[in-house]
Amino acid sequence: EAQVTQNPRYLITVTGKKLTVTCSQNMNHEYMSWYRQDPGLGLRQIYYSMNVEVTDKGDVPEGYKVSRKEKRNFPLILESPSPNQTSLYFCASSLLAGRGAQDYEQYFGPGTRLTVT
Amino acid sequence: KNQVEQSPQSLIILEGKNCTLQCNYTVSPFSNLRWYKQDTGRGPVSLTIMTFSENTKSNGRYTATLDADTKQSSLHITASQLSDSASYICVVSALEAGNNRKLIWGLGTSLAVNP
Repeated sequence: EAQVTQNPRYLITVTGKKLTVTCSQNMNHEYMSWYRQDPGLGLRQIYYSMNVEVTDKGDVPEGYKVSRKEKRNFPLILESPSPNQTSLYFCASSLLAGRGAQDYEQYFGPGTRLTVT
Repeated sequence: KNQVEQSPQSLIILEGKNCTLQCNYTVSPFSNLRWYKQDTGRGPVSLTIMTFSENTKSNGRYTATLDADTKQSSLHITASQLSDSASYICVVSALEAGNNRKLIWGLGTSLAVNP
């Protein structure tokens, strides 16, 4: 079954304790992206990657890191989480064409609800 | 500034009734417009994608329209079911430099279908 998986689904942590949220897709998609969703603000893009070893900042990258060492995986790293990073996080993937990945449908993971106290 | 505005913010209807959700955008240059359905706490799922030349597109009981001249889109849901209760998000793709495209997300319309 074609899917995007995220782990963990729920996480409660304390300020400053490094954490990683994993994302994996089995559709051989080149393009992967991380979003956060907050009430009243909609989905905002954190980082995206157009292929292995190619990553770029989205609209709200501060406080986050990503890596793309393999095509299927795109982990999100919070080196020193703070309470303002409490949010619902989504990973997404899609095909990439020469004219831009955004033209292709994005498949979203189930979400990771993060609480930083 | 690229923006996507949706109305109403929330809507309650009875099962079996029809409803229409609105999306107005100020995105240029326009690439395409998408409607997503998002169940509470879950990832968005694509309903339709329309390009500049498409006026209407259907997906089962969901029908999306696009008026590129007035920069408006609507999502019509026919014979609503309880499972239609969700947030419906309008997303417009903007063409950027280098042939890249950026997604501009609306805040969504929260739909509740009551028995």
